[in-house]
Amino acid sequence: EVQLVESGGVVVRPGGSLRLSCAASGFTFDDNAMNWVRQPPGKGLEWVSLISWDGGTTYYADSVKGRFTISRDNSKNSLYLQMNSLRVEDTALYYCAKGAGSYAYFDYWGQGTLVTVSS
Amino acid sequence: SYVLTLPPSVSVAPGETSTITCGGNNIGSKIVHWYQQKPGQGPVLVIYHDTDRPSGIPERFSGSNSGNTATLTISRVEAGDEADYYCQVWDSTSDHYVFGAGTKVTVL
Repeated sequence: EVQLVESGGVVVRPGGSLRLSCAASGFTFDDNAMNWVRQPPGKGLEWVSLISWDGGTTYYADSVKGRFTISRDNSKNSLYLQMNSLRVEDTALYYCAKGAGSYAYFDYWGQGTLVTVSS
Repeated sequence: SYVLTLPPSVSVAPGETSTITCGGNNIGSKIVHWYQQKPGQGPVLVIYHDTDRPSGIPERFSGSNSGNTATLTISRVEAGDEADYYCQVWDSTSDHYVFGAGTKVTVL
């Protein structure tokens, strides 16, 4: 059974930093691209970032480019999101999502970890 | 950047058919995927590659894509289908995933 378990969400001040983690199991982690997708409270889904199976390719949404960094450790079956210069508008539930196809869609999602940016 | 347009809400009676349209410029040239999200839960893939159903998704869910509109159809709607639904594509021009804003399906 595929499992994606996010952690690291907390309340942080504007301008602060945070690192999210996603522990993956139930599939061959280093065969798949991985993603972060976020959902502000009461709003829709917004893709944040993608990392290829080997970490060699990364893409970012314009709203986070230059502030967030996605990474992975295939030896630990783990995905990470380093979030710097956080803004109030970054407040959201952050989901880890397994990529499928060739940069096509997300076939499994975690339950999310909540990041709140507030003074 | 590429934009996907969904209606904010759709209402349907039990047993009837619900149709959700996802609009986009020449969306028929892209591959569309659909997700269902129930309150307090993570999204679940219900249609991928325009028309394919993952294992475990009822045959009542179907998809199509042509021209400027992709469609998710839910036949014989049940109370358990009440959820938010999102369409999604990969925009190769920007190397970004794009989601529609979501449609809330209410079962009357």
